[in-house]
Amino acid sequence: GDSVTQMEGPVTLSEEAFLTINCTYTATGYPSLFWYVQYPGEGLQLLLKATKADDKGSNKGFEATYRKETTSFHLEKGSVQVSDSAVYFCALVQGGSEKLVFGKGTKLTVNP
Amino acid sequence: GAVVSQHPSWVICKSGTSVKIECRSLDFQATTMFWYRQFPKQSLMLMATSNEGSKATYEQGVEKDKFLINHASLTLSTLTVTSAHPEDSSFYICSARAIDRPSYEQYFGPGTRLTVT
Repeated sequence: GDSVTQMEGPVTLSEEAFLTINCTYTATGYPSLFWYVQYPGEGLQLLLKATKADDKGSNKGFEATYRKETTSFHLEKGSVQVSDSAVYFCALVQGGSEKLVFGKGTKLTVNP
Repeated sequence: GAVVSQHPSWVICKSGTSVKIECRSLDFQATTMFWYRQFPKQSLMLMATSNEGSKATYEQGVEKDKFLINHASLTLSTLTVTSAHPEDSSFYICSARAIDRPSYEQYFGPGTRLTVT
């Protein structure tokens, strides 16, 4: 079945550092890909999405590019802030399906 | 933005008892609600999908008689864990999708921590 693998955490960075969280997927067909973020005490929120190969999703300074050839959707941010501290989930959904398939989540802590 | 609440945020119960968890969409009507389960350091696993006014659709391996889901209104879904056992201890998360919105546009509740002793 479909699956998502993302890098193990936790990840600890200093403010203004560059962030990469790796995500790869296994899926039949051409899924849509997502990054969700969960801030402490809150529910998951959609951060960004890409629905087809070579699409780049972006939001709040975060970016991820749908790479079909490497089945990847790595999350990047050029300069992280303390407020970016959260758990980040990579996910996919197949066309016509309602079922989101999540990775295990990566906890990011940004220190001032 | 759309808000989904869950109640309670955490609950401790004795083995053999039943526990009900509520999921509410506060400012929109949710035709579809989803229930997930998350084990420590594991991904969210979809348990079931419920549409308002109809029976829930359970994922393979999820016992429908153990995890009772009711979606009686467009703003409320409940998950009842019946005859709970320690192995049911987990983090339960609900999400809700508004009418005619794509599947990925789900609004998530903050989760409920269940501990069965």
